[in-house]
Amino acid sequence: AQSVTQLGSHVSVSEGALVLLRCNYSSSVPPYLFWYVQYPNQGLQLLLKYTTGATLVKGINGFEAEFKKSETSFHLTKPSAHMSDAAEYFCAVSDRASSYKLIFGSGTRLLVRP
Amino acid sequence: NAGVTQTPKFRVLKTGQSMTLLCAQDMNHEYMYWYRQDPGMGLRLIHYSVGEGTTAKGEVPDGYNVSRLKKQNFLLGLESAAPSQTSVYFCASSKQGFSTEAFFGQGTRLTVV
Repeated sequence: AQSVTQLGSHVSVSEGALVLLRCNYSSSVPPYLFWYVQYPNQGLQLLLKYTTGATLVKGINGFEAEFKKSETSFHLTKPSAHMSDAAEYFCAVSDRASSYKLIFGSGTRLLVRP
Repeated sequence: NAGVTQTPKFRVLKTGQSMTLLCAQDMNHEYMYWYRQDPGMGLRLIHYSVGEGTTAKGEVPDGYNVSRLKKQNFLLGLESAAPSQTSVYFCASSKQGFSTEAFFGQGTRLTVV
């Protein structure tokens, strides 16, 4: 069955440090890949998505992610963390095997230390 | 534009009671979804709709029913609430299918005692 694995339920970084949130997926066919962000007491908001084409995808708020087919990964990065980045981040995948339904990972909570 | 609006925002139910969660979107989106969010489990799809008058089951449909009588509204019903249905429920909509951006409501926190 298709699945999404986010390594680390909690990640803590200092303000200004690199943010790296990991996402691996299982899919035997080319997937669509997404990162969503959830701020406290709010719904999810799309950060970025990969459908086809360039494997390095840029999103909002300075985030980007790279689709690596050989590693079945779609890690999220940001060069310099800001206090406002503190939130929960969800990786999601959609492909033909799931009838293109969105399958979410369990989420990673990002803490940014001053 | 309000986007996706969910009512109510909070609710406490007793076991066996019924209730309906309302989702309304003003973006003229075809697709609408109901998810539940539980700690450490991400979001799981309960039911979805690909257009007015249609509904389909997601990953965890048992104990829930839905209706989409109008394009802008998607209702989620619990006929006989159980403690296992304590969760945060999110409605979302998208212009087309799952590969397009989904817009989420702010959630409904439901507690079943």
